Amino acid sequence: EIVLTQSPDTLSLSPGGSATLSCRASQGVSSSYLTWYQQRLGQAPRLLIYGAYRRAAGVPDRFSGSGSGTDFTLTISRLEPEDFAMYYCQVYVISAGFTFGPGTKVDIK
Amino acid sequence: QMRLEEPGPGLVKPSGTLSLSCSVSGESTSTSYYWSWIRQPPGKGLEWIASVYYSGSTYYNSSLESRVSISLDTSKTQFSLRLQLTSMTATDTAVYYCARTNGYDAFDLWGPGTMVTVSS
Repeated sequence: EIVLTQSPDTLSLSPGGSATLSCRASQGVSSSYLTWYQQRLGQAPRLLIYGAYRRAAGVPDRFSGSGSGTDFTLTISRLEPEDFAMYYCQVYVISAGFTFGPGTKVDIK
Repeated sequence: QMRLEEPGPGLVKPSGTLSLSCSVSGESTSTSYYWSWIRQPPGKGLEWIASVYYSGSTYYNSSLESRVSISLDTSKTQFSLRLQLTSMTATDTAVYYCARTNGYDAFDLWGPGTMVTVSS
């Protein structure tokens, strides 16, 4: 079983600021299968980053992903009001299927 | 543009069976993708349930495998994704989402979700 840990639980920031979200896997994973989602309140999740650093269609370039092995990061620069939301990382491992992290909430300070 | 919609029953009785269908519309389907169900209990995180390929190959979350079945109905022009979950309990209360899954095993298109409550 693979476990994803996200930190911090909550990030309180001001619009215009930058956010750094961490996702740590309990064992090394292929960066090709590390994904980040945004979920606004009351909405379905939205794909942001796949393959650790590839931005999905329509995602602003203020969102960027990085990392490898067990440690991955989602960085959001120049926070806009619509960026205050929950963020989940997810990984696919052939032996275990899909696993999501518990999420990081980015809220307005 | 492809759209997914998953209308649901809303309420399922304890020990009953949940049957969900996700309709896929808007553009021709492609074998570059496969299809998945994910759920989210109220106020909690996301849990993958199952995935299915065009070939019919299926993959299940091991914690649900004994109770779940996923399938594709490709008999019509507009195809649909189906989910059955048996022996429902209160812990199965959640928003259920269908999603398109890409070659990077990322859920790149989601339906709006349907809330399912298990209650007598």
